[in-house]
Amino acid sequence: EAGVTQFPSHSVIEKGQTVTLRCDPISGHDNLYWYRRVMGKEIKFLLHFVKESKQDESGMPNNRFLAERTGGTYSTLKVQPAELEDSGVYFCASSEGQGAYEQYFGPGTRLTVT
Amino acid sequence: AQTVTQSQPEMSVQEAETVTLSCTYDTSESNYYLFWYKQPPSRQMILVIRQEAYKQQNATENRFSVNFQKAAKSFSLKISDSQLGDTAMYFCAFKEGGKLIFGQGTELSVKP
Repeated sequence: EAGVTQFPSHSVIEKGQTVTLRCDPISGHDNLYWYRRVMGKEIKFLLHFVKESKQDESGMPNNRFLAERTGGTYSTLKVQPAELEDSGVYFCASSEGQGAYEQYFGPGTRLTVT
Repeated sequence: AQTVTQSQPEMSVQEAETVTLSCTYDTSESNYYLFWYKQPPSRQMILVIRQEAYKQQNATENRFSVNFQKAAKSFSLKISDSQLGDTAMYFCAFKEGGKLIFGQGTELSVKP
């Protein structure tokens, strides 16, 4: 069974540009999460989808970030326009359910904004 | 708000020895879930062990075990018979609803 995949693995863009990150969860997992780790700091929650609906987007830093999950399959996270402080590693995770269910993580996308 | 604290940014241990990673958390909830994840260098983060707060018995997975002290809000990870492959960043996490709240991480190096 394929794990969670993310694309691209690494992106370098200039301040003011747009970047779109993609996450493909494990097939059948209704729950999809985005997290971010800024250099040297803890991993922070961004948002949670249940199927195509946003269950919790309390961690989204501002309106420059837009997440979608059309059809309840893969998800995209767009940053527009990117700022220097957006640099970090963006992780996606998926799970069958909540509570004690394990979240399976993707390899992450390393975003560098110059 | 729930918080998770890992007070050891870096640790090292000799191969075959035992090491304990510390984690404390703060919550007003009575039932919750705690996790330890590891991220080896250049690899994906994977679950090491989980603990349900209503279970008094400490979770164990092969060489990995936890010391869960609910009253003290402490959730430490013990790795026995450390192996070179245990070298990784270890994250303690608390689950609030669906989302995970992570500690800052402990970078563990296992030395031959």
